[in-house]
Amino acid sequence: GQSLEQPSEVTAVEGAIVQINCTYQTSGFYGLSWYQQHDGGAPTFLSYNALDGLEETGRFSSFLSRSDSYGYLLLQELQMKDSASYFCAVSKSGNTPLVFGKGTRLSVIA
Amino acid sequence: NAGVTQTPKFRILKIGQSMTLQCTQDMNHNYMYWYRQDPGMGLKLIYYSVGAGITDKGEVPNGYNVSRSTTEDFPLRLELAAPSQTSVYFCASSYSTDASYEQYFGPGTRLTVT
Repeated sequence: GQSLEQPSEVTAVEGAIVQINCTYQTSGFYGLSWYQQHDGGAPTFLSYNALDGLEETGRFSSFLSRSDSYGYLLLQELQMKDSASYFCAVSKSGNTPLVFGKGTRLSVIA
Repeated sequence: NAGVTQTPKFRILKIGQSMTLQCTQDMNHNYMYWYRQDPGMGLKLIYYSVGAGITDKGEVPNGYNVSRSTTEDFPLRLELAAPSQTSVYFCASSYSTDASYEQYFGPGTRLTVT
C-alpha cells in the first residue's frame, strides 16, 4: 500500500513563513516532488528532492528526510499570490508514475 | 511551444453517453498521463503511456480507455458515462517518469455527468 499525508488547510499572514508537511508510506521510494495549483488552474512543478536535505529555489525551499519518510515545503516572504493548493508527490522508482497526496490549501491573509 | 493542450474545456454528458477527451503535446515527450481530480482532492492516475503503442493502467482505470498511436496524442475515452465520472480531467506529459523531470499539465477538462 501507499499513502501520503498532508494537512488539508493552512492559513498564514502575508510576509510570513509557512511550512507544509508531507509524510509518506510507500513500497519503495525514489523521490519527493511538490506541485502548486491555483484555483481553476493546472498543477505546476515546484521542486524535487531525492536526497536528504534542503533544496532552495527563490522564496521556496523543500526538505527531505528519507529516514523519517518526511518532507516539507517552506514558503518565505509570503505573497497573496501564493494562495493555492500544494501537493506532495512520491515516485516509488525511476520508472513508475508519481503518486500524489490530497493537497494542502494555503490561504495567505493580509 | 503550446505545451499540453486539452479539448474540450467543459462538457456535460448524460448518463450512458460516451465521449473522447483529447490531449496533445508538442514537447516530444514519451511519457503521457491522464489524471482525474475530484473537488478538494488530489490527482488520481487513470492511465499512462511510456511511448507510442504502449499504455498501462493507473490507480482508477475502470470506465475509461486510452490509446497512443502517436507520440503527440493521448486521447481518453469514456464509455457509458456515470455520475461518478464527474470530475476535472488533466492530461500531462514528461520526458521521463523519474520525478526529477517535471510533469507538464494541460488546462483540464471539466466534465459533468447528469
